[in-house]
Amino acid sequence: DAGVIQSPRHEVTEMGQEVTLRCKPISGHNSLFWYRQTMMRGLELLIYFNNNVPIDDSGMPEDRFSAKMPNASFSTLKIQPSEPRDSAVYFCASTHSGETQYFGPGTRLLVL
Amino acid sequence: AQSVSQHNHHVILSEAASLELGCNYSYGGTVNLFWYVQYPGQHLQLLLKYFSGDPLVKGIKGFEAEFIKSKFSFNLRKPSVQWSDTAEYFCAVWVRNQFYFGTGTSLTVIP
Repeated sequence: DAGVIQSPRHEVTEMGQEVTLRCKPISGHNSLFWYRQTMMRGLELLIYFNNNVPIDDSGMPEDRFSAKMPNASFSTLKIQPSEPRDSAVYFCASTHSGETQYFGPGTRLLVL
Repeated sequence: AQSVSQHNHHVILSEAASLELGCNYSYGGTVNLFWYVQYPGQHLQLLLKYFSGDPLVKGIKGFEAEFIKSKFSFNLRKPSVQWSDTAEYFCAVWVRNQFYFGTGTSLTVIP
C-alpha cells in the first residue's frame, strides 16, 4: 500500500483565498483524522471521521474550516477564506478500529 | 474528558545517555497505547505500540516502553541515545474509538 496520500504537499496562497487539502486514507481503514501542527500550538486534532461520518469536529477552529468525506477513499479539508494564522502543517491520518494510526506526509500551508 | 500527559516538554541529552520519557493517561478501562516519533521536517511515525500481553514492549531503533496499569503510565525508554534520535516524541492512547495525543516531548541529543 502507498500509505496515506496527501495533496498538495506545499501550498502558498494569499489571504482571503480558498484552500482545499486532500487526503486518501489507506485502503480498508475506517477512521480518518485531520490534524494541524504549529510551533505555537503543537499537534491539534481538527476533525475525526468514522466510516465516513464526522464523529468529533470540536477541534475545527471556526466556520472558515470545513471537512468532508464523501467516500471511504477520499477526504477534503477546506479553508475559506484563508488567513495568515492558518499557516501550519496539516496532517491526515487513518486507522482501522483503534489499531496503529498512520500519518500522511502532510501539507505545508503558508497564507500570505 | 480523556487526557494524555507528557511531563517532559524538552529534554537534552548527550550521546550514550539513557532516556526515559514519561506518559500518563487518564482513562481506567481498556486502552491501546502508542509512541510516535517525528523527525525534523517529517510526519509522525510509529515507534511501538501496546494492545495486550507482555507489558514491556520493544519497538524500532532500540526503544522500549513499559505499560504499568496501576500507574496509568506508558513510559518510553532507550538505554543509549544517538544523535539521530533527535526528534519529537508523542504518546497516544486509543480509547472508546478516539485517539488522544500528548503534547509531545522534544528530544535533543548532543554529539
